Amino acid sequence: AQSVTQLGSHVSVSEGALVLLRCNYSSSVPPYLFWYVQYPNQGLQLLLKYTTGATLVKGINGFEAEFKKSETSFHLTKPSAHMSDAAEYFCAVSVTGANSKLTFGKGITLSVRP
Amino acid sequence: NAGVTQTPKFQVLKTGQSMTLQCAQDMNHEYMSWYRQDPGMGLRLIHYSVGAGITDQGEVPNGYNVSRSTTEDFPLRLLSAAPSQTSVYFCASSRKEVDTQYFGPGTRLTVL
Repeated sequence: AQSVTQLGSHVSVSEGALVLLRCNYSSSVPPYLFWYVQYPNQGLQLLLKYTTGATLVKGINGFEAEFKKSETSFHLTKPSAHMSDAAEYFCAVSVTGANSKLTFGKGITLSVRP
Repeated sequence: NAGVTQTPKFQVLKTGQSMTLQCAQDMNHEYMSWYRQDPGMGLRLIHYSVGAGITDQGEVPNGYNVSRSTTEDFPLRLLSAAPSQTSVYFCASSRKEVDTQYFGPGTRLTVL
């Protein structure tokens, strides 16, 4: 079975600063990896995903993530935070095969200080 | 396309009452799922369906029933509500299981 670890529950950055949200996964087979964002009182929206191919994945709103198999990581980054980035971010993993369900991490709340 | 729609947006129940949370999608997606979101727990899979007539249990299925009579609809039934079922419920759909899931806006349920 696969699993996702998102260390910490809250990250605070200043506007214009680098955003780094960490995600580590566990999977016995090659994973599909996703980052979702949830704005207050809304559903989840896909930021980006990795399936196969290029390990650096670019998403919406200037976010990107790099799949590092050796580190079993899929950290989310953005060079310069904007106030509108304040939200909750979820990393998720799924695998092909009999257990191909999406498993979410517990989420990280990002605050952006003016 | 409306995408994934959920009704109601908010609901308050008393312990022991029953109700159905509605979910519909107009994208002709085969795969649909129900999650509950609780503070500090992320999203946990309740039930899912890989097509009309086929459903299966997720991580936290107890107290919930589902059926999938059409591709478009995937209702979630609470037969006898309990305070532990107070949560925000999200429905999602995708073309297949290992694909981008599209989420509805959620239903906030409170059980007193």
